[in-house]
Amino acid sequence: DVKVTQSSRYLVKRTGEKVFLECVQDMDHENMFWYRQDPGLGLRLIYFSYDVKMKEKGDIPEGYSVSREKKERFSLILESASTNQTSMYLCASSLLDSRTDTQYFGPGTRLTVL
Amino acid sequence: AQSVTQLGSHVSVSEGALVLLRCNYSSSVPPYLFWYVQYPNQGLQLLLKYTSAATLVKGINGFEAEFKKSETSFHLTKPSAHMSDAAEYFCAVSVEYGNKLVFGAGTILRVKS
Repeated sequence: DVKVTQSSRYLVKRTGEKVFLECVQDMDHENMFWYRQDPGLGLRLIYFSYDVKMKEKGDIPEGYSVSREKKERFSLILESASTNQTSMYLCASSLLDSRTDTQYFGPGTRLTVL
Repeated sequence: AQSVTQLGSHVSVSEGALVLLRCNYSSSVPPYLFWYVQYPNQGLQLLLKYTSAATLVKGINGFEAEFKKSETSFHLTKPSAHMSDAAEYFCAVSVEYGNKLVFGAGTILRVKS
């Protein structure tokens, strides 16, 4: 089975802090994704990566950056956390960059910024 | 551009009753469509997907969905609801190229005993 793990289930940070969210997948997948999930808005794509050191902006990249130094690991960085970044963050991975491929999700990190 | 509309942010059914969760899509290319389920405090799990092989798609846990091009719909159904089906369900459509998805807002299913 594909396993996608996220470093924390719950995280509380203060405004202005630099925040790192880590995601690891164990199935040698090419693609990795970061989403944020908010009630009534579904999932919105922040960034994705289709190869090591490659990244592309999603629909809501402002205030975020990412890093993919190794194939299995994809990090989301909040350079200076703000209260409007309080949300559930979900990481996903998929094997191929095809329209029909399944994305596999981690359990999520619920981030609260005070 | 692609988009998904899920009608009904909350749906409530009795145990044993039919489950019907609605999804309509808009796509500038032939669509590929997905239904995911999110149980409380968990990530998303694929229920089923339409990849043009057959219009009626069967998934896990007794769910199925029918692709209707004329209605631009991909509604999710299950003949008999179980308490364990209580979760949030997301419909998604693939974009023109690559593996990105556009998700609907989600529908929370409540199952009453």
